Amino acid sequence: EVQLVQSGAEVKKPGESLKISCKGSGYSFTSYWIGWVRQMPGKGLEWMGIIYPGDSDTRYSPSFQGQVTISADKSISTAYLQWSSLKASDTAMYYCARLLHGYGMDVWGQGTTVTVSS
Amino acid sequence: QSALTQPASVSGSPGQSITISCTGTSSDVGGYNYVSWYQQHPGKAPKLMIYEVSNRPSGVPDRFSGSKSGNTASLTISGLQAEDEADYYCSSYTSSSTVFGGGTKLTVL
Repeated sequence: EVQLVQSGAEVKKPGESLKISCKGSGYSFTSYWIGWVRQMPGKGLEWMGIIYPGDSDTRYSPSFQGQVTISADKSISTAYLQWSSLKASDTAMYYCARLLHGYGMDVWGQGTTVTVSS
Repeated sequence: QSALTQPASVSGSPGQSITISCTGTSSDVGGYNYVSWYQQHPGKAPKLMIYEVSNRPSGVPDRFSGSKSGNTASLTISGLQAEDEADYYCSSYTSSSTVFGGGTKLTVL
């Protein structure tokens, strides 16, 4: 079964760092782009960026460039999303998803809730 | 990048058909045949319903169909069922990136 399994919920304070993960299984992890999507409470989906685990080629949405870092470790079929200094406005659900050729996202992780509060 | 424009809400009765529009520009929807549609039930991850304008992934009922004309894409759901009640999002490829629509809440009356 093709699946993406994300790390668990996080509660952090403003200014702290964080790295969440997304582990793929059931397919060739290095052959598909992986994307990250933010969903703030009660709001819509926002495309953050993507990574190709095969060579770590990474592309960011202009809205998220410089705000987060996307990385991957192909040896363990895992992609990451990290922050160096969290803000309260980073509070959201974060999804990873596998990309098809036309950037459609066909397999989604279960989501990771990030809460940033003092 | 501006979000694609979707109606905030649509509604229909069981058995009816509804259409959700998704309007962009020539830089996204109009420029590529890479429009996708997602269904999201409350508390769940989104699910891909249509990709590359009109293709259905395996397992998606053929009641769901997609099309595009110019800068506007559309998702049509025929034979509406209670379980179709959800939020629907469109997305489009644009310059090595993707932009989502604001989402449409579908209510099955």
